[in-house]
Amino acid sequence: DAGVIQSPRHEVTEMGQEVTLRCKPISGHNSLFWYRQTMMRGLELLIYFNNNVPIDDSGMPEDRFSAKMPNASFSTLKIQPSEPRDSAVYFCASSFRQGITGNTIYFGEGSWLTVV
Amino acid sequence: LAKTTQPISMDSYEGQEVNITCSHNNIATNDYITWYQQFPSQGPRFIIQGYKTKVTNEVASLFIPADRKSSTLSLPRVSLSDTAVYYCLVGDLGNTGFQKLVFGTGTRLLVSP
Repeated sequence: DAGVIQSPRHEVTEMGQEVTLRCKPISGHNSLFWYRQTMMRGLELLIYFNNNVPIDDSGMPEDRFSAKMPNASFSTLKIQPSEPRDSAVYFCASSFRQGITGNTIYFGEGSWLTVV
Repeated sequence: LAKTTQPISMDSYEGQEVNITCSHNNIATNDYITWYQQFPSQGPRFIIQGYKTKVTNEVASLFIPADRKSSTLSLPRVSLSDTAVYYCLVGDLGNTGFQKLVFGTGTRLLVSP
């Protein structure tokens, strides 16, 4: 299994530019999560999808952030326009519910974003 | 969602057993307890998950008392490579159809020679 694949791994961009982060979940998983991690705020859940449908986006910081999941194998997190305070590591994760025995969430390696 | 409380940091030495306790006083009936490990520059990695009593795998053991208001992650004979942040999470992963795990601040474990 290839695991959760994220791209780009690293990105440096100028303030005001649009940033698009991409994620390919593990094949067969039906839930996808976007997290953001910073030293100050730790690991924050931004949004999660179930069967390609956004279930909870209450963690999305503001309207500059948007996420889509057009199909079961692809998701994007977009920031437009980007600001320096958006600098963070963005993790994508996926999981598959296994009935009453619970399930686990598998994380990608993260996309390291720096906005200057 | 059940809130979790765990120590911010712990120190240990190689070869020792490390026990990290997590409090989750308002855990719900359907909630599972899950622990993740995160190394610097990597995404969190699943360690162990349980509902009640004791669970053991090749990496760790998880002890859950009868009231389930706390849990203890036990790492036997730690090595330097176990230095990481350990997160305790509580959430309903089963019957509701949807799950939402919220990470707390985690416990930063430092293993010294």
